[in-house]
Amino acid sequence: QQQVKQSPQSLIVQKGGIPIINCAYENTAFDYFPWYQQFPGKGPALLIAIRPDVSEKKEGRFTISFNKSAKQFSLHIMDSQPGDSATYFCAASSFGNEKLTFGTGTRLTIIP
Amino acid sequence: DGGITQSPKYLFRKEGQNVTLSCEQNLNHDAMYWYRQDPGQGLRLIYYSQIVNDFQKGDIAEGYSVSREKKESFPLTVTSAQKNPTAFYLCASRRTKNTEAFFGQGTRLTVV
Repeated sequence: QQQVKQSPQSLIVQKGGIPIINCAYENTAFDYFPWYQQFPGKGPALLIAIRPDVSEKKEGRFTISFNKSAKQFSLHIMDSQPGDSATYFCAASSFGNEKLTFGTGTRLTIIP
Repeated sequence: DGGITQSPKYLFRKEGQNVTLSCEQNLNHDAMYWYRQDPGQGLRLIYYSQIVNDFQKGDIAEGYSVSREKKESFPLTVTSAQKNPTAFYLCASRRTKNTEAFFGQGTRLTVV
């Protein structure tokens, strides 16, 4: 079963553009939504995370938008750079459960 | 430096053999996880452990086994019952519920 659905599977954006990656979840008990960045051959690393009491969170060029009623959240990368080319994963978990569920990933390529 | 260490980085196994992947953390984290990564399928949870001497099955536990005898260590055994074991395996840990998960660098297992 897939509790977190992520799209698109791959994305190509020109440098300076704003790639947007979307995730949708089913479990209303989820209350922690992180995004991870992974470079080839490496383990994922936390990029930014949000809790459902806010609708938006910014950290540098990265922004999470959260829509609780629609059960959706998205990652926006402002002023994208070739160094942002990586695979991005959304994830979700609930406070009462240690299980951390990931989406299927988005392979992002930023072209110069 | 604190972190998660997975070993070995590359592992080759003959069909029918069991193999154990090592995961050690010195972050004093309570929860530890094992994920399997295949192209296009994201990170799928194999097993997770919230405390020593306790662990739960994830979404794809069949053909795998784990132990958690020490807080620092969470080894994964890929048994001969796992039908398609060739994959990239990632270990992670986190301090408490709904906090950042830290990942190791992964072990690439190939069955020959």
